[in-house]
Amino acid sequence: EVQLLESGGGFVQPGGSLRLSCAASGFTFSSYAMHWVRQAPGKGLEWVSTISNSGDSTYYADSVRGRFTISRDNSDNTLYLQLNSLRAEDTAVYYCANGYCTTNGVCYTKSIQHYWGQGTLVTVSS
Amino acid sequence: EIVMTQSPATLSVSPGERATLSCRASQSIRSNLAWYHQKPGQAPRLLIYGASTRATGVPARFSGFASGTEFTLTISSLQSEDFAVYYCQQYDNWPLTFGGGTKVEIK
Repeated sequence: EVQLLESGGGFVQPGGSLRLSCAASGFTFSSYAMHWVRQAPGKGLEWVSTISNSGDSTYYADSVRGRFTISRDNSDNTLYLQLNSLRAEDTAVYYCANGYCTTNGVCYTKSIQHYWGQGTLVTVSS
Repeated sequence: EIVMTQSPATLSVSPGERATLSCRASQSIRSNLAWYHQKPGQAPRLLIYGASTRATGVPARFSGFASGTEFTLTISSLQSEDFAVYYCQQYDNWPLTFGGGTKVEIK
């Protein structure tokens, strides 16, 4: 069973930093691209960032590029999101999700978010 | 950036009835379209990918269709657990983008 467990959310002042983690199990983590998606209170879904299975390629939404950094540790099956220079508009539940591999083992970086964690809440406020 | 437009914003349907949700892409995304649903207080769940392929464990009452840049999700006979918010997403181009969502509520 695929399990994704986010942690690291909390309350932070504008300009502050947080590091989110996502512990993965139940699938071959090193084969899958991984994603972060966020949802502001009462709002829709917003894709934030994607990292390739090897970690060599990363992609960001314009709203977070230069402030957030995605990374992964394939030896520990853990995904990270470093959030710097936080703003009030970054307040959201942050979800991690895995990408997609075919039954033949072809894996895609630019892909769906297949399985999702339960999310971790980040609140940015003074 | 590809803009995804969903309609209607809210759909009121009685249990057992058919529901049809629409999603339009601002440019071609081929078949790189996914549908998710989200119940209150829960994480989203993947329903459909490749515009028409049901994800593992998704009931057959959910079906997806594509025609150019127009996509539809049909729920053939709404069950109580289907009342939720539905999002479409394109994954053809960076940045990945979601539609604004359609809330399916009990009539």
